[in-house]
Amino acid sequence: AQKVTQAQTEISVVEKEDVTLDCVYETRDTTYYLFWYKQPPSGELVFLIRRNSFDEQNEISGRYSWNFQKSTSSFNFTITASQVVDSAVYFCALSAFPQGAQKLVFGQGTRLTINP
Amino acid sequence: EAQVTQNPRYLITVTGKKLTVTCSQNMNHEYMSWYRQDPGLGLRQIYYSMNVEVTDKGDVPEGYKVSRKEKRNFPLILESPSPNQTSLYFCASSFRTSGVNYNEQFFGPGTRLTVL
Repeated sequence: AQKVTQAQTEISVVEKEDVTLDCVYETRDTTYYLFWYKQPPSGELVFLIRRNSFDEQNEISGRYSWNFQKSTSSFNFTITASQVVDSAVYFCALSAFPQGAQKLVFGQGTRLTINP
Repeated sequence: EAQVTQNPRYLITVTGKKLTVTCSQNMNHEYMSWYRQDPGLGLRQIYYSMNVEVTDKGDVPEGYKVSRKEKRNFPLILESPSPNQTSLYFCASSFRTSGVNYNEQFFGPGTRLTVL
């Protein structure tokens, strides 16, 4: 069975601080994908990144970066120089269904609050 | 505009009164899913569909029904709603590439359901 754990329920930082959101996953499959989604206060879910199990390169997109480490089954998300607009609930998710069906397992989410 | 739409956005009903939440996507996606979001539990998959007339249970299917008669529509049916089905519901769709679907899902705006 697949499982995603986001141990940090809530994080609160002051604007311009760097913050890392942790994500640990469990799966027996060798082929899988990991995702991060953002849910701002308005409620919609916004896709941020997808990473496959064969690509352990870190990725950077502006102030966002992701660190994928298969050895520790982690896919952590770092926001550099945080801004108030980064305040949201962030979800990590895992898709690992060899038959190719669309089955996505989400973590519990981390509520990030950036204070001015 | 490419989008997933859900109706209604808000619904308050009473125990036992059958209801349907509609979901429609205009992106010609093969895959569609329903999730419920509850505090501390993240998003949990209710049902998913790989294509027209092909549906399967997710992690929490009890009390729900779905159908996929057309590619664009994937309604969620609660035959006899109960208070424990009070939740925020999301419909999502995704596309197939190379026969295996690990692509990101596009989410609808959500439907907040309250069952009294």
